[in-house]
Amino acid sequence: AQKITQTQPGMFVQEKEAVTLDCTYDTSDPSYGLFWYKQPSSGEMIFLIYQGSYDQQNATEGRYSLNFQKARKSANLVISASQLGDSAMYFCAMREGYNYGQNFVFGPGTRLSVLP
Amino acid sequence: EAQVTQNPRYLITVTGKKLTVTCSQNMNHEYMSWYRQDPGLGLRQIYYSMNVEVTDKGDVPEGYKVSRKEKRNFPLILESPSPNQTSLYFCASSPQAGGAQETQYFGPGTRLLVL
Repeated sequence: AQKITQTQPGMFVQEKEAVTLDCTYDTSDPSYGLFWYKQPSSGEMIFLIYQGSYDQQNATEGRYSLNFQKARKSANLVISASQLGDSAMYFCAMREGYNYGQNFVFGPGTRLSVLP
Repeated sequence: EAQVTQNPRYLITVTGKKLTVTCSQNMNHEYMSWYRQDPGLGLRQIYYSMNVEVTDKGDVPEGYKVSRKEKRNFPLILESPSPNQTSLYFCASSPQAGGAQETQYFGPGTRLLVL
């Protein structure tokens, strides 16, 4: 079964508007971390934001925020005031437990296109 | 500059010809991983390492080998490449396990085509 689901293969947003990229996850481990990465057309993977399962508040990093709804097992990425440079693939990822490497999985990604 | 480097960045080879993709990080990170990225599948972990001489299989280890003789280097070896190993490969490193510090820092990627 998929541990990370991103149901939006592609999204369009008008420049300067906000956009939400969906991510749902599946785990029975009470300790886990959720990550979002951006992959522009040049190919590199850029870390955006992190949310721990025990964190009480939603994570924010500049224009990025993570809408963490633990009971629904969702960790949606919100990008405010979209810019043309935000056009990229976006991956949601999860790490279960405390051991590095084990159970670190990525979703299939969402391609975001920002329109001028 | 803190970074993860991979070489080569692009490689075209033929079935069965052994190849090595190098990965090096200058951040003194203990933890390193290899991933492959295929369309519609996201990134899948091939192997990871928690320290020198400590490696373990990820989700898709078949057809790959790794070694970790030095902290900074984590090469990926394809002993007998096959066309289904055509992919985009990423090396990543992390300073520690657990919490925000397990953010993984990725190399630029290596595009491999096996004919």
